Amino acid sequence: EAGVTQSPTHLIKTRGQQATLRCSPISGHTSVYWYQQALGLGLQFLLWYDEGEERNRGNFPPRFSGRQFPNYSSELNVNALELEDSALYLCASSSGLADQETQYFGPGTRLLVL
Amino acid sequence: DAKTTQPPSMDCAEGRAANLPCNHSTISGNEYVYWYRQIHSQGPQYIIHGLKNNETNEMASLIITEDRKSSTLILPHATLRDTAVYYCIVRVAARANNLFFGTGTRLTVIP
Repeated sequence: EAGVTQSPTHLIKTRGQQATLRCSPISGHTSVYWYQQALGLGLQFLLWYDEGEERNRGNFPPRFSGRQFPNYSSELNVNALELEDSALYLCASSSGLADQETQYFGPGTRLLVL
Repeated sequence: DAKTTQPPSMDCAEGRAANLPCNHSTISGNEYVYWYRQIHSQGPQYIIHGLKNNETNEMASLIITEDRKSSTLILPHATLRDTAVYYCIVRVAARANNLFFGTGTRLTVIP
């Protein structure tokens, strides 16, 4: 069974540009979560999508947004990039069932903003 | 979700058991204990979780005290590939959303 996949693995942008990161969940999973891990810092929750809807977001500005498609894959968009947006962006998926809700993570996209 | 406390770092000799402690004294009755690990710059890897009974899988064992205020993750025969940051997370599982990752324990397996 394939795990969570993310693309691209690395992304280099300049300040002010937009970045789009993609995530494909484990087959059968309906929930997708996005996390940011800046260098030397812990994982910070960004967004949660379930059944195509945004269910919750972390303490991040509105220029961090995303969407979930009918096939449950997801995009994270970061507008007006700032230097401090450089980080490892991690996607996780879970089954969306009422019990246990284990999240499984992808390998991440490393974004570098110059 | 309840807060957890873990030692910042631990060493373990290769081939020996690694015992990683976690305190979660404010845990609620419906909160599970989850363990993940993150090998350098990779996505976190799920290890194991439990509610109140001890759990074992192919990766590790999870021992939860009777009062549920602490737990121990046991890697029975640590290898160099087990060197990673280990996170203990306490959360409500039913329709919960995000995970809160603390600072974790950096386990170094020594040859």
